[in-house]
Amino acid sequence: DTGVSQDPRHKITKRGQNVTFRCDPISEHNRLYWYRQTLGQGPEFLTYFQNEAQLEKSRLLSDRFSAERPKGSFSTLEIQRTEQGDSAMYLCASSPRTSGRTGELFFGEGSRLTVL
Amino acid sequence: GQQLNQSPQSMFIQEGEDVSMNCTSSSIFNTWLWYKQDPGEGPVLLIALYKAGELTSNGRLTAQFGITRKDSFLNISASIPSDVGIYFCAGTPFSYQLTFGKGTKLSVIP
Repeated sequence: DTGVSQDPRHKITKRGQNVTFRCDPISEHNRLYWYRQTLGQGPEFLTYFQNEAQLEKSRLLSDRFSAERPKGSFSTLEIQRTEQGDSAMYLCASSPRTSGRTGELFFGEGSRLTVL
Repeated sequence: GQQLNQSPQSMFIQEGEDVSMNCTSSSIFNTWLWYKQDPGEGPVLLIALYKAGELTSNGRLTAQFGITRKDSFLNISASIPSDVGIYFCAGTPFSYQLTFGKGTKLSVIP
């Protein structure tokens, strides 16, 4: 399977714990994105990487959230001191370097976080 | 920040009927996109639009980029059961930060 892969698919944690999600993009894609989706809502942008550089961050990304893409391939999203409001689906997407084709994203299946 | 108003929120239609849904923005976008999401899956891109007035088809799906740059619509002709899902509009002015609508949930009655 050559699509975007996310791990774990489901995570249940207690409030205050740290969690980390991993995303493996489509191999030839240099752009990687993280979005968050809550029930009944559309995805909300969190952050964007071009290769290993984090180029855009949403104001939604509080200081408890950190994302990395150390070698320009896979990415991790860490949430520290989780709160119940962090419960959501965390979606990773990737896109190739194609000028003028902004927004044509390939999404993974998501990592669903439940904070008790 | 930018907001997208997507309507209707949900639709129940008979198989074979045509479907229309639309999206309006509070600000100008230079790209409009339509995605579909099935339960437990990530969104899948259906159609991308890059020019005001552009009308683009993908099989039974047709989408248009409004000339004001603040709206877009999606039509599905002759609906079939596998069209069931949630359809999202999305747009962006210039950046890689997409803004999504809240979605239109489509149910098809065989």
